[in-house]
Amino acid sequence: EVQLVESGGGLVKPGGSLRLSCAASGFTFSNYDMNWVRQAPGKGLEWVSSITSSGAYIYYADSVKGRFTISRDNAKNSLYLQMNSLRAEDTAVYYCARGYYDSWGWGQGALVTVSS
Amino acid sequence: QTVVTQEPSFSVSPGGTVTLTCGLSSGSVSTSYYPSWYQQTPGQAPRTLIYSTNTRSSGVPDRFSGSILGNKAALTITGAQADDESDYYCVLHMGSGIWVFGGGTKLTVL
Repeated sequence: EVQLVESGGGLVKPGGSLRLSCAASGFTFSNYDMNWVRQAPGKGLEWVSSITSSGAYIYYADSVKGRFTISRDNAKNSLYLQMNSLRAEDTAVYYCARGYYDSWGWGQGALVTVSS
Repeated sequence: QTVVTQEPSFSVSPGGTVTLTCGLSSGSVSTSYYPSWYQQTPGQAPRTLIYSTNTRSSGVPDRFSGSILGNKAALTITGAQADDESDYYCVLHMGSGIWVFGGGTKLTVL
């Protein structure tokens, strides 16, 4: 069974940093592209970033470019999102999702709250 | 910047058929955008229904189908059930590794 478990969320002050992790199991992690998608409270889904299976290609939404960094460790079956210079508008549930042109599998999400 | 458009809300009677659409503020949606559809109930993670225009995800009932209708991607629910009452999101691949979600459609079954 595909499992994606996000961790590392929490409360952080504006301008601060946070690192999200996504632990994958139940599939061969190194074979799949991965994504981060977020959802602000009461709002819709927003794609944040994608990384190819080998990590060779990385893409970001304009809203996070230059502040967020996606990475992966295929040996540890883990996906990461380093978030710097956080703003109030980054407050959201952050979902880890497996896939690209195929069916995306989703984690349960991690809440990030940016507030003073 | 191109916006992906969806109906904000829709209503369907139990047993009825409803078609939700996913368009572009400029231009037409084609299979090249790899449209996908997700269902989300409050407090839950999204669930993939359809990917690459019309391929059902594993375990998704065949009441759900995807297509291109005119210049938009479409999700059709046939024989709507009470537990289909959810938010539905589409996403399009805009090229250069960029995905853009629509604003979502809140579907009411009553």
